[in-house]
Amino acid sequence: EVQVVESGGGLIQPGGSLRLSCAASGFTVSSSYMSWVRQAPGKGLEWVSVIYSGGTTYYADSVKGRFTISRDNSKNTVYLQMNSLRAEDTAVYYCAREQRENGYFDNWGQGTLVTVSS
Amino acid sequence: EIVLTQSPGTLSLSPGERATLSCRASQTVGTSYLTWYQQKPGQAPRLLIYGASSRATGIPDRFSGSGSGTDFTLTISRLEPEDFAVYYCQQYGSSPTFGQGTRLEIK
Repeated sequence: EVQVVESGGGLIQPGGSLRLSCAASGFTVSSSYMSWVRQAPGKGLEWVSVIYSGGTTYYADSVKGRFTISRDNSKNTVYLQMNSLRAEDTAVYYCAREQRENGYFDNWGQGTLVTVSS
Repeated sequence: EIVLTQSPGTLSLSPGERATLSCRASQTVGTSYLTWYQQKPGQAPRLLIYGASSRATGIPDRFSGSGSGTDFTLTISRLEPEDFAVYYCQQYGSSPTFGQGTRLEIK
Protein backbone atom coordinates (compact mmCIF):
# COMPACT_ATOMS: atom_id res chain seq x y z
CA GLU A 1 0.00 0.00 0.00
CA VAL A 2 1.30 3.42 -0.97
CA GLN A 3 1.51 5.66 2.08
CA VAL A 4 3.28 8.77 3.31
CA VAL A 5 3.46 9.81 6.96
CA GLU A 6 4.56 13.26 8.08
CA SER A 7 6.08 14.16 11.41
CA GLY A 8 8.03 16.93 13.07
CA GLY A 9 5.45 19.67 13.44
CA GLY A 10 4.97 21.67 16.60
CA LEU A 11 5.01 25.08 18.22
CA ILE A 12 8.00 27.24 17.34
CA GLN A 13 8.84 30.88 17.98
CA PRO A 14 9.18 33.36 15.13
CA GLY A 15 12.67 33.21 13.66
CA GLY A 16 13.10 29.60 14.72
CA SER A 17 13.75 26.45 12.72
CA LEU A 18 11.98 23.15 12.32
CA ARG A 19 12.51 20.06 10.20
CA LEU A 20 9.58 18.08 8.90
CA SER A 21 9.88 14.46 7.82
CA CYS A 22 7.83 12.46 5.33
CA ALA A 23 8.33 8.71 5.54
CA ALA A 24 7.14 6.83 2.48
CA SER A 25 6.14 3.20 2.07
CA GLY A 26 4.95 1.18 -0.90
CA PHE A 27 7.09 3.18 -3.32
CA THR A 28 10.55 4.73 -3.49
CA VAL A 29 10.97 8.48 -3.07
CA SER A 30 14.12 8.47 -5.17
CA SER A 31 12.05 7.46 -8.22
CA SER A 32 9.25 9.90 -7.51
CA TYR A 33 8.43 13.57 -7.48
CA MET A 34 7.69 14.55 -3.87
CA SER A 35 6.07 17.81 -2.81
CA TRP A 36 5.10 19.68 0.29
CA VAL A 37 1.78 21.48 0.28
CA ARG A 38 0.53 23.58 3.19
CA GLN A 39 -2.81 24.81 4.43
CA ALA A 40 -3.13 27.68 6.85
CA PRO A 41 -5.96 27.36 9.39
CA GLY A 42 -9.31 27.79 7.64
CA LYS A 43 -7.59 28.59 4.33
CA GLY A 44 -6.90 26.92 1.02
CA LEU A 45 -4.00 24.85 -0.26
CA GLU A 46 -0.60 26.30 -1.15
CA TRP A 47 2.17 24.38 -2.88
CA VAL A 48 5.48 24.87 -1.07
CA SER A 49 8.25 22.82 -2.64
CA VAL A 50 9.10 19.81 -4.80
CA ILE A 51 12.06 17.49 -5.21
CA TYR A 52 12.26 15.62 -8.48
CA SER A 53 13.58 12.10 -8.90
CA GLY A 54 16.77 13.54 -10.37
CA GLY A 55 17.23 15.74 -7.31
CA THR A 56 16.19 19.09 -8.79
CA THR A 57 14.28 21.23 -6.31
CA TYR A 58 11.84 24.12 -6.65
CA TYR A 59 10.20 26.43 -4.12
CA ALA A 60 7.29 28.80 -3.87
CA ASP A 61 8.40 32.42 -3.76
CA SER A 62 6.96 32.72 -0.25
CA VAL A 63 9.51 30.25 1.17
CA LYS A 64 12.45 30.57 -1.22
CA GLY A 65 15.71 31.11 0.65
CA ARG A 66 14.19 29.95 3.97
CA PHE A 67 13.03 26.38 3.31
CA THR A 68 15.05 23.48 1.93
CA ILE A 69 13.66 20.20 0.64
CA SER A 70 15.85 17.10 0.65
CA ARG A 71 15.59 13.33 0.84
CA ASP A 72 17.39 10.34 2.32
CA ASN A 73 17.04 7.46 -0.10
CA SER A 74 18.26 4.93 2.46
CA LYS A 75 15.38 5.90 4.75
CA ASN A 76 12.91 6.46 1.92
CA THR A 77 12.15 9.80 3.55
CA VAL A 78 11.75 13.37 2.37
CA TYR A 79 12.48 16.36 4.58
CA LEU A 80 11.54 20.01 4.71
CA GLN A 81 13.98 22.17 6.65
CA MET A 82 12.25 25.39 7.61
CA ASN A 83 14.34 28.31 8.84
CA SER A 84 13.51 31.91 9.76
CA LEU A 85 9.94 30.90 10.44
CA ARG A 86 7.23 33.55 10.39
CA ALA A 87 3.70 33.68 11.78
CA GLU A 88 2.38 33.34 8.23
CA ASP A 89 4.09 29.94 7.95
CA THR A 90 1.58 28.56 10.45
CA ALA A 91 -0.21 25.74 8.65
CA VAL A 92 -0.78 22.04 8.30
CA TYR A 93 2.02 20.75 6.10
CA TYR A 94 1.18 17.85 3.82
CA CYS A 95 3.63 15.63 2.02
CA ALA A 96 2.34 14.37 -1.31
CA ARG A 97 3.57 12.26 -4.18
CA GLU A 98 3.27 14.09 -7.48
CA GLN A 99 2.60 12.32 -10.75
CA ARG A 100 5.19 13.62 -13.19
CA GLU A 101 3.08 13.17 -16.33
CA ASN A 102 0.15 15.32 -15.24
CA GLY A 103 1.42 17.16 -12.18
CA TYR A 104 -1.28 15.98 -9.80
CA PHE A 105 -0.86 14.77 -6.23
CA ASP A 106 -2.11 11.21 -5.95
CA ASN A 107 -1.09 10.29 -2.41
CA TRP A 108 -1.17 12.60 0.58
CA GLY A 109 -0.16 12.17 4.17
CA GLN A 110 -2.35 13.15 7.09
CA GLY A 111 -0.39 16.34 7.61
CA THR A 112 1.60 17.82 10.47
CA LEU A 113 0.73 21.13 12.13
CA VAL A 114 3.33 23.86 12.42
CA THR A 115 2.44 26.78 14.64
CA VAL A 116 4.72 29.82 14.65
CA SER A 117 3.95 31.97 17.65
CA SER A 118 5.63 33.63 20.58
CA GLU B 1 1.76 32.33 -12.02
CA ILE B 2 -1.60 30.98 -13.15
CA VAL B 3 -4.43 32.05 -10.84
CA LEU B 4 -7.41 29.73 -10.49
CA THR B 5 -10.75 31.22 -9.47
CA GLN B 6 -13.45 28.85 -8.27
CA SER B 7 -17.14 29.62 -8.18
CA PRO B 8 -19.35 29.69 -6.34
CA GLY B 9 -17.59 30.09 -3.03
CA THR B 10 -20.33 28.13 -1.32
CA LEU B 11 -22.96 25.92 -2.92
CA SER B 12 -25.99 24.83 -0.91
CA LEU B 13 -27.78 21.79 -2.29
CA SER B 14 -29.77 18.79 -1.12
CA PRO B 15 -28.85 15.12 -1.45
CA GLY B 16 -29.93 13.80 -4.83
CA GLU B 17 -29.43 17.13 -6.57
CA ARG B 18 -26.84 17.90 -9.23
CA ALA B 19 -23.80 20.02 -8.35
CA THR B 20 -21.83 22.07 -10.85
CA LEU B 21 -18.56 23.62 -9.69
CA SER B 22 -16.51 25.99 -11.82
CA CYS B 23 -12.78 26.65 -12.05
CA ARG B 24 -11.52 29.50 -14.23
CA ALA B 25 -7.84 30.06 -14.98
CA SER B 26 -6.09 33.35 -15.62
CA GLN B 27 -4.19 31.75 -18.53
CA THR B 28 -4.70 28.68 -20.68
CA VAL B 29 -4.13 25.45 -18.78
CA GLY B 30 -3.21 22.30 -20.65
CA THR B 31 -6.06 19.83 -20.35
CA SER B 32 -3.67 17.22 -19.01
CA TYR B 33 -2.79 19.49 -16.13
CA LEU B 34 -6.11 20.29 -14.47
CA THR B 35 -6.98 18.33 -11.34
CA TRP B 36 -9.83 18.27 -8.80
CA TYR B 37 -9.62 17.29 -5.13
CA GLN B 38 -12.14 16.77 -2.37
CA GLN B 39 -11.32 17.68 1.22
CA LYS B 40 -13.35 16.89 4.31
CA PRO B 41 -12.76 18.53 7.72
CA GLY B 42 -9.64 17.26 9.43
CA GLN B 43 -8.60 15.19 6.44
CA ALA B 44 -6.04 15.48 3.67
CA PRO B 45 -7.23 16.31 0.17
CA ARG B 46 -8.35 13.34 -1.90
CA LEU B 47 -7.67 13.06 -5.61
CA LEU B 48 -10.90 12.98 -7.63
CA ILE B 49 -10.25 13.96 -11.24
CA TYR B 50 -6.99 14.37 -13.16
CA GLY B 51 -6.33 15.38 -16.74
CA ALA B 52 -9.53 17.46 -16.50
CA SER B 53 -11.81 14.45 -17.00
CA SER B 54 -10.22 11.20 -15.80
CA ARG B 55 -11.54 9.78 -12.56
CA ALA B 56 -8.99 8.58 -10.05
CA THR B 57 -9.07 5.02 -8.79
CA GLY B 58 -12.10 4.28 -6.66
CA ILE B 59 -13.96 7.51 -7.47
CA PRO B 60 -17.67 6.91 -8.18
CA ASP B 61 -18.94 7.68 -11.66
CA ARG B 62 -21.30 10.35 -10.34
CA PHE B 63 -18.19 12.58 -10.36
CA SER B 64 -17.19 13.93 -13.75
CA GLY B 65 -14.88 16.63 -15.01
CA SER B 66 -14.90 18.63 -18.21
CA GLY B 67 -13.51 21.73 -19.82
CA SER B 68 -10.47 23.08 -21.59
CA GLY B 69 -8.44 26.23 -22.02
CA THR B 70 -9.39 28.47 -19.12
CA ASP B 71 -12.76 27.04 -18.08
CA PHE B 72 -13.20 23.76 -16.26
CA THR B 73 -16.13 22.14 -14.48
CA LEU B 74 -16.61 19.45 -11.86
CA THR B 75 -20.07 17.89 -11.89
CA ILE B 76 -21.57 15.62 -9.27
CA SER B 77 -24.63 14.10 -10.88
CA ARG B 78 -26.58 13.03 -7.78
CA LEU B 79 -25.29 14.22 -4.45
CA GLU B 80 -24.75 11.66 -1.73
CA PRO B 81 -24.45 12.70 1.94
CA GLU B 82 -20.71 11.95 1.88
CA ASP B 83 -20.13 14.39 -1.00
CA PHE B 84 -20.59 17.49 1.12
CA ALA B 85 -17.07 18.84 1.46
CA VAL B 86 -14.70 21.44 0.04
CA TYR B 87 -13.51 20.99 -3.55
CA TYR B 88 -10.30 22.42 -4.99
CA CYS B 89 -9.03 22.64 -8.53
CA GLN B 90 -5.30 22.64 -9.21
CA GLN B 91 -3.16 23.31 -12.24
CA TYR B 92 0.36 22.23 -13.05
CA GLY B 93 2.29 24.87 -14.91
CA SER B 94 5.58 26.43 -14.03
CA SER B 95 4.52 25.78 -10.46
CA PRO B 96 1.36 24.18 -9.12
CA THR B 97 -1.43 26.46 -7.95
CA PHE B 98 -4.80 25.75 -6.36
CA GLY B 99 -8.12 27.50 -6.53
CA GLN B 100 -9.50 28.95 -3.31
CA GLY B 101 -12.06 26.16 -3.02
CA THR B 102 -15.83 25.69 -3.25
CA ARG B 103 -17.64 24.62 -0.12
CA LEU B 104 -20.51 22.25 -0.91
CA GLU B 105 -22.95 22.30 1.99
CA ILE B 106 -26.22 20.60 2.77
CA LYS B 107 -29.23 22.81 2.16
